[in-house]
Amino acid sequence: GAGVSQTPSNKVTEKGKYVELRCDPISGHTALYWYRQSLGQGPEFLIYFQGTGAADDSGLPNDRFFAVRPEGSVSTLKIQRTERGDSAVYLCASSFAPVTNTEAFFGQGTRLTVV
Amino acid sequence: EDKVVQSPLSLVVHEGDTVTLNCSYEVTNFRSLLWYKQEKKAPTFLFMLTSSGIEKKSGRLSSILDKKELFSILNITATQTGDSAIYLCAAAPRRSNYGGSQGNLIFGKGTKLSVKP
Repeated sequence: GAGVSQTPSNKVTEKGKYVELRCDPISGHTALYWYRQSLGQGPEFLIYFQGTGAADDSGLPNDRFFAVRPEGSVSTLKIQRTERGDSAVYLCASSFAPVTNTEAFFGQGTRLTVV
Repeated sequence: EDKVVQSPLSLVVHEGDTVTLNCSYEVTNFRSLLWYKQEKKAPTFLFMLTSSGIEKKSGRLSSILDKKELFSILNITATQTGDSAIYLCAAAPRRSNYGGSQGNLIFGKGTKLSVKP
């Protein structure tokens, strides 16, 4: 696609429910990143994929968070047993080069609200 | 702990004013510093700075890095209402020694700039 596409753009869920957030990167981009941004804060790193594998998942806050990228393109961020503190905008970015974030293009994000 | 601190957190100016946004960092194995503009949700890339003292310029925006004092500034001259946004500064660590990749950017909280007509 022309840019990084994230769906849904908004998601409201009840506390304790499971959610999946999808990221469709720019075609040909091998690196994919997930960030989380709370109100008034900068984006916080969650996980980085190079191809199909998670090269760095050190930012995932706990084991309720998990992400996959089975075919090296689309990625899904999965959150189990959601909590109100998970409410944030979840941003996805992709790039050609694995560590050169200059080429990283961000999607519009998914605003997750846990009620 | 690695951190990036931006100041001011918010700024209100009038069209035509010049503004300077500040970013200081403490990052182990620092490689580069990046500036993004965030309107609504998606940050858009502005500059990447790797070397000290070399100004990067794009139209009315310019930025410079001081690796000795560990800070960067973003200047916007002749501000316009369209410059209103959150400006994010982020530090990129170097690739780790064992060859693993590091894809994380360490962001500051941002500076919210409001330009009044």
